[in-house]
Amino acid sequence: AQKITQTQPGMFVQEKEAVTLDCTYDTSDPSYGLFWYKQPSSGEMIFLIYQGSYDQQNATEGRYSLNFQKARKSANLVISASQLGDSAMYFCAMRSPTDSWGKLQFGAGTQVVVTP
Amino acid sequence: DTAVSQTPKYLVTQMGNDKSIKCEQNLGHDTMYWYKQDSKKFLKIMFSYNNKELIINETVPNRFSPKSPDKAHLNLHINSLELGDSAVYFCASSLRPIQDRGYNEQFFGPGTRLTVL
Repeated sequence: AQKITQTQPGMFVQEKEAVTLDCTYDTSDPSYGLFWYKQPSSGEMIFLIYQGSYDQQNATEGRYSLNFQKARKSANLVISASQLGDSAMYFCAMRSPTDSWGKLQFGAGTQVVVTP
Repeated sequence: DTAVSQTPKYLVTQMGNDKSIKCEQNLGHDTMYWYKQDSKKFLKIMFSYNNKELIINETVPNRFSPKSPDKAHLNLHINSLELGDSAVYFCASSLRPIQDRGYNEQFFGPGTRLTVL
């Protein structure tokens, strides 16, 4: 069975510092996609970044980067230069052929609070 | 310009009632999804439709019935509401999963907070 694990239920980070959110996954499929979503207190789900299992380079999107270590099955999200608006719940998710690529399987999330 | 919209945003109802949540996307996607987010913020897929055809049906009570009149709409009807149905329900859409090999993200609606009293 596919599984996504986020071991950090919550963390505080100071404004302008970098923060790393951990995500490990378990799949036997050689091909899969990993996603990070942000959910602010307003409730909407915002797509941040994607990493494909065959991508040679780590994904980056602005201040977001993904530290993808395939052998360790980890896909940690790094947020550089944290801003107050980064305070939110962050979810790691995976899609794979086992589910006909259909569903996103989510981790439990990490609550990030950015302090001034 | 809303990409994925849901109505209503809030729904408060009594146990035993029947209610519907509507979802529409204007992104031209042919695959739509319903997710449930429980009180602990855990998100889980319920259903997925590809071009009006049901492709994912997770272990969901049959009181929940999705309906897709066309590929831009996916509604969720819930019969005989129970206290445990209280949650936030998210609709999402994406390009056809098999073709995109997992690359294309799912776009989420704003969610519908359902409270069953």
